[in-house]
Amino acid sequence: KNQVEQSPQSLIILEGKNCTLQCNYTVSPFSNLRWYKQDTGRGPVSLTIMTFSENTKSNGRYTATLDADTKQSSLHITASQLSDSASYICVAADYKLSFGAGTTVTVRA
Amino acid sequence: DTEVTQTPKHLVMGMTNKKSLKCEQHMGHRAMYWYKQKAKKPPELMFVYSYEKLSINESVPSRFSPECPNSSLLNLHLHALQPEDSALYLCASSPSSGNTGELFFGEGSRLTVL
Repeated sequence: KNQVEQSPQSLIILEGKNCTLQCNYTVSPFSNLRWYKQDTGRGPVSLTIMTFSENTKSNGRYTATLDADTKQSSLHITASQLSDSASYICVAADYKLSFGAGTTVTVRA
Repeated sequence: DTEVTQTPKHLVMGMTNKKSLKCEQHMGHRAMYWYKQKAKKPPELMFVYSYEKLSINESVPSRFSPECPNSSLLNLHLHALQPEDSALYLCASSPSSGNTGELFFGEGSRLTVL
């Protein structure tokens, strides 16, 4: 069973709108939670990495939140741009990295 | 320099061919990784090198043979592959092999096995 579950599987938003992606994890003992952006056919690029003591971390228009008690994280994209169209992967770390299946975001003009 | 460089970007090979994928980083990272990613799936870990020594082999078939000639280079030698091995192969590096450091990925090598 995958230890990292992401939702939704995909979503379509209009340019300029906001959206929030969800990630639930079960890894233990928890070390850190990462979000990556992956353009089609390219390598993943790190957006944020948070330890259990961090509740929120921002990287430009991307803001990640972490609730280590409920083992949930979210990634909020503000004022979306066409270049935000990509797959967003949540990764939870214990002694190894567990990857979620990703959320595919499509931004339409 | 915060890049992980992979070559070639695309590779097409027959099942009897021998080819290699190459990866290079100059960030002074001591851990390097190979991942395999199928379409619409997350990356799957194949190998981890720590201080130029193989530390993790995730039960990868022997037709994939990794090599770490020095701390900046990582190769993946391919021989007698199957069509189901077609995938995006990602190289990554991190300051150490522990799971606390940032992981930097290359752009990937798209492999097609005919």
